[in-house]
Amino acid sequence: DGGITQSPKYLFRKEGQNVTLSCEQNLNHDAMYWYRQDPGQGLRLIYYSQIVNDFQKGDIAEGYSVSREKKESFPLTVTSAQKNPTAFYLCASSASYIEQFFGPGTRLTVL
Amino acid sequence: AQKVTQAQTEISVVEKEDVTLDCVYETRDTTYYLFWYKQPPSGELVFLIRRNSFDEQNEISGRYSWNFQKSTSSFNFTITASQVVDSAVYFCALIHTQGGSEKLVFGKGTKLTVNP
Repeated sequence: DGGITQSPKYLFRKEGQNVTLSCEQNLNHDAMYWYRQDPGQGLRLIYYSQIVNDFQKGDIAEGYSVSREKKESFPLTVTSAQKNPTAFYLCASSASYIEQFFGPGTRLTVL
Repeated sequence: AQKVTQAQTEISVVEKEDVTLDCVYETRDTTYYLFWYKQPPSGELVFLIRRNSFDEQNEISGRYSWNFQKSTSSFNFTITASQVVDSAVYFCALIHTQGGSEKLVFGKGTKLTVNP
């Protein structure tokens, strides 16, 4: 089945640790996105990539990093510089001006 | 600046009632797209509808209908005869281009609770 997978579903991080969230799509979409969702805040864009080996910062990129070495993969690293990383993270992909398809999300908690 | 406002933070209705979720947007683009997404308790966002700025026809899909009015910059969503399974957070969103890229701007969402 075509779609977007995110892993893990739940992730726990100790303070000072870097963690990487996985996002894979088999929809052959060029564009991929990472969003952060906090209660009552809606979704905020962290990073996005329109093509392999290229990506741009979104509205809240500080403390995060990404890579886009393959079309189907867009991992997000939450670094120790992100002071408040506890949130729900959603990955999405899209073809141009078509709706973005979202993965099931990863819930990150800092211990 | 691009902005989407969903003024209703939470709505609670009794099953079989009709409910309208409001969405007001701001954009300087002449060409843009509007979306509605549903987020059930599981967390995954489910696409409901896309509307482009040149098509102001209202749309109906089963119990769902959408009213797009450019004159008031609104794109409201109505659920007729609501059901418990409609309980979710609903997001309105706008796509705009910035430097050739496409970015979705989301409203903060409206949490709908349908009580039996």
